[in-house]
Amino acid sequence: KNQVEQSPQSLIILEGKNCTLQCNYTVSPFSNLRWYKQDTGRGPVSLTIMTFSENTKSNGRYTATLDADTKQSSLHITASQLSDSASYICVVWSGNTPLVFGKGTRLSVIA
Amino acid sequence: DVKVTQSSRYLVKRTGEKVFLECVQDMDHENMFWYRQDPGLGLRLIYFSYDVKMKEKGDIPEGYSVSREKKERFSLILESASTNQTSMYLCASSFGAVGYGYTFGSGTRLTVV
Repeated sequence: KNQVEQSPQSLIILEGKNCTLQCNYTVSPFSNLRWYKQDTGRGPVSLTIMTFSENTKSNGRYTATLDADTKQSSLHITASQLSDSASYICVVWSGNTPLVFGKGTRLSVIA
Repeated sequence: DVKVTQSSRYLVKRTGEKVFLECVQDMDHENMFWYRQDPGLGLRLIYFSYDVKMKEKGDIPEGYSVSREKKERFSLILESASTNQTSMYLCASSFGAVGYGYTFGSGTRLTVV
């Protein structure tokens, strides 16, 4: 069964610190993987999208990595800010079915 | 800037009411989707549409129906709202093959009392 598992479920960090969120997937075949940021009460907004051939992609302080062999991805946030507090959702597309969503990691950045 | 617009941010309805949630996109996307999002369950696909007048059931279609009379508009209908349909509803659209250009609306928080 196609699945996307994210860890941790929730995370609290101090402002200015770095953190890494994990995503493991069993979706096959693989077309692309994307990370979304979802602020409370809002719709998800795309951060990055990575295809099979891409290992790393950055968007400002956000850096996503992809290991297609082990079917793992991570999202690294550098020098966190209070505005980074949100849920981060990992999504995988197989290429011929609707997207498969992880349940997200809830990040809280505190002063 | 491309947009997916959901007609209401917050909605409160009574049990048994017929509820319409509207979604409009201005990107000329072929594909449109409705999800519900609940704590601990993530996003779950209710219905999707690849073309006008087309609809496909997602993972949890029970209690819902959809309508797509125009390319830019995709409506989710709760025929007889129940309290277990209290949730955040998200609309999305994409172009070409289903995974490209995936864009979400801002969501509608529906409370059924």
